Amino acid sequence: QSALTQPASVSGSPGQSVTISCTGTSSDVGGYNYVSWYQQHPGKAPKLMIYDVINRPSGVSNRFSGSKSGNTASLTISGLQAEDEADYYCSSYTSSTTLEVFGTGTQVTVL
Amino acid sequence: QVQLQESGPGLVKPSETLSLTCAVSGYIISSGYYWGWIRQPPGKGLEWIGSIYHSGSTYYNPSLKSRVTISVDMSKNQFSLKLSSVTAADTAVYYCARCPRFGSTIYDYWGQGTLVTVSS
Repeated sequence: QSALTQPASVSGSPGQSVTISCTGTSSDVGGYNYVSWYQQHPGKAPKLMIYDVINRPSGVSNRFSGSKSGNTASLTISGLQAEDEADYYCSSYTSSTTLEVFGTGTQVTVL
Repeated sequence: QVQLQESGPGLVKPSETLSLTCAVSGYIISSGYYWGWIRQPPGKGLEWIGSIYHSGSTYYNPSLKSRVTISVDMSKNQFSLKLSSVTAADTAVYYCARCPRFGSTIYDYWGQGTLVTVSS
C-alpha cells in the first residue's frame, strides 16, 4: 500500500485560502469516509484537525474544512494566518492489509 | 486531560530489539478505545506501526508485522512497543496515540514523541 499523494508544498498570503489535496484510490479515500487531517509544527506531535472527511474536533478553528470528491480528499484553510504555517498530513482507512495509510505530507507556507 | 508519554532507550544497536512504553494518564486504558504507535523518520512522513484494543486484540502494519509486538499493561495503565531486528531504516521519532475508533485513522491524543536512533 503506497502513501496517499499530497502536493509537497502550497503557499498563500495572510487572509487568503489554500487547499491541500490528498489522492488515493477506491480502496481507501474513495471507498470510505474515514479521512483525517493532521497539522504538525516542527518538533511537535501531529494534531488532529479534521476527521471522517468533514468533521472538526472541538477546539479546532472553523477556518479549517474538509471535503472529498471521488478518490481525492481536500483540506481548505480559509483566512490564512501565520500560525497555520506547518506540515499537513492526510490519512485514510484502506481495505488493503495495511489498514491505515498516511499521505506524503504538504508544507504550508504563509508568505 | 488525557496525556500520553513515551519512554525508552534513545539508541539501539542494529539487529537488537527496540522497546518503548507509553504511559497514559487522565484515562483508564481498560475503559476502552484503541492505542496506537506511529513513527516518523527524520524529515519524512508518518507511518502507522500498529494498534491494540484494551482487550488485547492487535493490528499491525503488514510491512512490519513480522517484527512488531504491541502489548498492554492494565495494572500500570500503559502499553508497549517492541520492534525486533532493527536496522538504520528504523531510526525515527516514535509516537504513541489514542484512537477512539479503529480504522478511522482518528488519533485524538498524542505523546510528544521520542527519537530512537539505530546505530552501532
